[in-house]
Amino acid sequence: GESVGLHLPTLSVQEGDNSIINCAYSNSASDYFIWYKQESGKGPQFIIDIRSNMDKRQGQRVTVLLNKTVKHLSLQIAATQPGDSAVYFCAERDGGATNKLIFGTGTLLAVQP
Amino acid sequence: EAQVTQNPRYLITVTGKKLTVTCSQNMNHEYMSWYRQDPGLGLRQIYYSMNVEVTDKGDVPEGYKVSRKEKRNFPLILESPSPNQTSLYFCASRQTGLTDTQYFGPGTRLTVL
Repeated sequence: GESVGLHLPTLSVQEGDNSIINCAYSNSASDYFIWYKQESGKGPQFIIDIRSNMDKRQGQRVTVLLNKTVKHLSLQIAATQPGDSAVYFCAERDGGATNKLIFGTGTLLAVQP
Repeated sequence: EAQVTQNPRYLITVTGKKLTVTCSQNMNHEYMSWYRQDPGLGLRQIYYSMNVEVTDKGDVPEGYKVSRKEKRNFPLILESPSPNQTSLYFCASRQTGLTDTQYFGPGTRLTVL
């Protein structure tokens, strides 16, 4: 597979456990945040997003929490499955004119059967 | 099916030989970007385009060119590739608004010898 996973922090969990992946963002003016999943050999895939006027959003088996006070974002995956093994990135959107997305370096989630 | 396509998926070339990586999206998105992904550095934006005939530099534009003559296509051009441009490249498109989901292509693995 691709070498995306090299040099990344790794979270190893047992199948069926809950996973929490953390992300610190840099810009207090960022107005929108996204989590992406990237499987080996593929492009990043949208998982869930949250706007800055919210602190929690839930999807199917995933929850994103936003703490603007400490500029921290987390992704919780319930009942982690082997298919969840991938690199997970957070991204923040600059609330300015360019709407630029700034990506974190990612966390490798390894699910042990 | 909504998608972003890139070609080629894999390319090995030599220093100085001009190449073009094509990108096409079928979602009528206005905003398109090119990123490169390197181990430990995450996704870095090369160029972006907010609409037809509107392009601008991202964080790492040196050695690259782009064009946006049509809404659906956003080719990346390397006029004189060098070994430090060996990387994994992703094209992406999105419709900016209150929230925006960015869709990524499958990636192009480029090796410059």
